[in-house]
Amino acid sequence: AQSVSQHNHHVILSEAASLELGCNYSYGGTVNLFWYVQYPGQHLQLLLKYFSGDPLVKGIKGFEAEFIKSKFSFNLRKPSVQWSDTAEYFCAVNGWNNRLAFGKGNQVVVIP
Amino acid sequence: DVKVTQSSRYLVKRTGEKVFLECVQDMDHENMFWYRQDPGLGLRLIYFSYDVKMKEKGDIPEGYSVSREKKERFSLILESASTNQTSMYLCASSLWRNMNTEAFFGQGTRLTVV
Repeated sequence: AQSVSQHNHHVILSEAASLELGCNYSYGGTVNLFWYVQYPGQHLQLLLKYFSGDPLVKGIKGFEAEFIKSKFSFNLRKPSVQWSDTAEYFCAVNGWNNRLAFGKGNQVVVIP
Repeated sequence: DVKVTQSSRYLVKRTGEKVFLECVQDMDHENMFWYRQDPGLGLRLIYFSYDVKMKEKGDIPEGYSVSREKKERFSLILESASTNQTSMYLCASSLWRNMNTEAFFGQGTRLTVV
């Protein structure tokens, strides 16, 4: 079964700083990769996804992620964060068995 | 607009009670999932279903069961609630035919067992 690792559970940064969240997965076959975001009091929403093609994926709100197959990684980035990016971010992996597995999440706090 | 609806936002139950959490989706999705979300542990898969009457155990199925009698509805059952089942429960759905699709989530049910 697939598994997902996210490090640095709590991240605190100032507005305009750059953000990078790491995601590593373990699964031998073809995978689909996702980043979901959960704003305070809201349900999980899709931020971006990778299925195939260009390994650099652009999502909503200025986020992007890069799939590096050799490193089993799918790191999330944003060049300049805003206070409204305060949220919890989850990396997820979906394999052939449609069993969607999530990491433990990164709690990101952006200080105005 | 896609929609996954969970029957309750907040629920308080007593230890030993049988608890039903209901989830309905209106997107004709084959896959449905139940997760529990706990601080620092992320989302952990309890059960999922890829068709009516079909179910598969996730990573933490102990103490839970599920029912899927209709395609649009997926129920999570706590046979005898315990305090360690106090958590946020999330339901999700996705297409089966094409794995190139994301899951859509409900608002969650915050269950407290006292």
